[in-house]
Amino acid sequence: LAKTTQPISMDSYEGQEVNITCSHNNIATNDYITWYQQFPSQGPRFIIQGYKTKVTNEVASLFIPADRKSSTLSLPRVSLSDTAVYYCLVGDMGAYNTDKLIFGTGTRLQVFP
Amino acid sequence: NAGVTQTPKFRVLKTGQSMTLLCAQDMNHEYMYWYRQDPGMGLRLIHYSVGEGTTAKGEVPDGYNVSRLKKQNFLLGLESAAPSQTSVYFCASSTIAGERDTQYFGPGTRLTVL
Repeated sequence: LAKTTQPISMDSYEGQEVNITCSHNNIATNDYITWYQQFPSQGPRFIIQGYKTKVTNEVASLFIPADRKSSTLSLPRVSLSDTAVYYCLVGDMGAYNTDKLIFGTGTRLQVFP
Repeated sequence: NAGVTQTPKFRVLKTGQSMTLLCAQDMNHEYMYWYRQDPGMGLRLIHYSVGEGTTAKGEVPDGYNVSRLKKQNFLLGLESAAPSQTSVYFCASSTIAGERDTQYFGPGTRLTVL
């Protein structure tokens, strides 16, 4: 079971870059790292996924060091609308199992004006 | 294309009553999931299905039953509701477990058991 550890909460101001780190010391060779975003009263929404190095899309970047024991979700120039809970999930995407469906408590990001 | 929809959005039950939550997806996804989310907590997997006619237990299956008679629908049943089942229930679907686009979630059903 690939357990993840994230900070419970983070605060930021509009326009700043926010980095949320997730620790996953027991990550397995076939495991991918996936991040979700959840707004109040809504279901989670996929943000980004990666295996190693760096992945970037229109919403965020994901940095994964060589040992893959941690990952960092980077949100550039956050706005008030980025206030949400962010979940890091780790699991084997090549074979079906429910380990990658462990959401944990996530990181609650609060963005201030 | 509505994605994942859930019915009802809200429900209040008395202890011992039964009900069924309906999840429907129009993306032709093979996999479907039911989660519950308690205040201030992450999502916990109740049951899931890897295809029409199949179901499997997740992390917290006790007190719930599910059925997947049609590919597009996944039903979650509470036979005898208990206050501990007060929660927000989310349904999700995915094409292949762990595929790049991973899971698509519905808007949730807020259930209160008195």
